[in-house]
Amino acid sequence: LAKTTQPISMDSYEGQEVNITCSHNNIATNDYITWYQQFPSQGPRFIIQGYKTKVTNEVASLFIPADRKSSTLSLPRVSLSDTAVYYCLVGGNDMRFGAGTRLTVKP
Amino acid sequence: KAGVTQTPRYLIKTRGQQVTLSCSPISGHRSVSWYQQTPGQGLQFLFEYFSETQRNKGNFPGRFSGRQFSNSRSEMNVSTLELGDSALYLCASSLGGRDTDTQYFGPGTRLTVL
Repeated sequence: LAKTTQPISMDSYEGQEVNITCSHNNIATNDYITWYQQFPSQGPRFIIQGYKTKVTNEVASLFIPADRKSSTLSLPRVSLSDTAVYYCLVGGNDMRFGAGTRLTVKP
Repeated sequence: KAGVTQTPRYLIKTRGQQVTLSCSPISGHRSVSWYQQTPGQGLQFLFEYFSETQRNKGNFPGRFSGRQFSNSRSEMNVSTLELGDSALYLCASSLGGRDTDTQYFGPGTRLTVL
């Protein structure tokens, strides 16, 4: 049983804001939510992590509603170099990567 | 602070051979996890080592094994290679464990089995 569900793919244009939502209905009380970015033939790169409400860093924001059953990664003003696969992970010993969301940014 | 390093970056082997991959974690990190990534199966967890002990194991055959040394460096071994073992093998290190702390990934080792 998949622990997280994300859209398989998304398209956007340069300069737009992109929001990727992840569903995690069975999140446990102690679980954190972490997002990674991966380019072809490279290891995943940590983007952001949060537990509840909103977290912001220099590259992204993470919105988590009160029930924590979903989370939304927000990428402001994307560029062509943001084209990658984005993974949402929920913590715990059975943590596993899902299929991720393939984001394609077009000029 | 240096990131996670993996050696070699690329490897070509033939069926039936064995291979050893190496991972050096970020200094101070005690947990090393290994993953296999293929186009068909995505990123799959192999195992995690913490302070030289295997803590968790994914659903892989016994041909896949690993170990961790006292300096936290880790090696992964695959014996009797099969064509389906061709993949990108990634290791990730974290301060505590993969279930509690952020994992930082290395660049991976691309293994091709002919």
